[in-house]
Amino acid sequence: EPEVTQTPSHQVTQMGQEVILRCVPISNHLYFYWYRQILGQKVEFLVSFYNNEISEKSEIFDDQFSVERPDGSNFTLKIRSTKLEDSAMYFCASGGTEAFFGQGTRLTVV
Amino acid sequence: GIQVEQSPPDLILQEGANSTLRCNFSDSVNNLQWFHQNPWGQLINLFYIPSGTKQNGRLSATTVATERYSLLYISSSQTTDSGVYFCAVDPGANSKLTFGKGITLSVRP
Repeated sequence: EPEVTQTPSHQVTQMGQEVILRCVPISNHLYFYWYRQILGQKVEFLVSFYNNEISEKSEIFDDQFSVERPDGSNFTLKIRSTKLEDSAMYFCASGGTEAFFGQGTRLTVV
Repeated sequence: GIQVEQSPPDLILQEGANSTLRCNFSDSVNNLQWFHQNPWGQLINLFYIPSGTKQNGRLSATTVATERYSLLYISSSQTTDSGVYFCAVDPGANSKLTFGKGITLSVRP
């Protein structure tokens, strides 16, 4: 069964560093998403991506964040100059009417 | 934006018991999904159910779209059912999901 895969599963980074989280969506899906879950809280929408451009973004998704589809299969989330409060689980999802989630990347900023 | 309320916030069951988890939402939706978040943090798709009733083994779900609620039923609960259950909705058509705060289920042996 096709699935969304994310790498790495865990990432520890120093405050101020840049991180890139990677995702391979399900191949025939057209919409891609990033969500974030701070420990113990609900899952929050960050950004959706369609037809090689951002279709919608939340107020969380500020200039510190960017997304890219560098080739036909990968979808990345870049966080510049990480802050302690960026520590969270980041989920990639793909789909259209129904969303399918990857296993998540747990980002810890120290 | 749309509001999603889940109840109860916490639920403790003895193995073998049945349970009903509720999700209320504040506006009409085109997408409603139930997820189980396991202890490793993974979000497992349970149901895509913007309306109607579906069953998958010991789990079933019903969404009454006109009354803006959905129910997830777990029968003969097992310890592996423990975790957090999220309801998520989208009033649009492209799965920009708004999640509820989740229901933490603990099933004791």
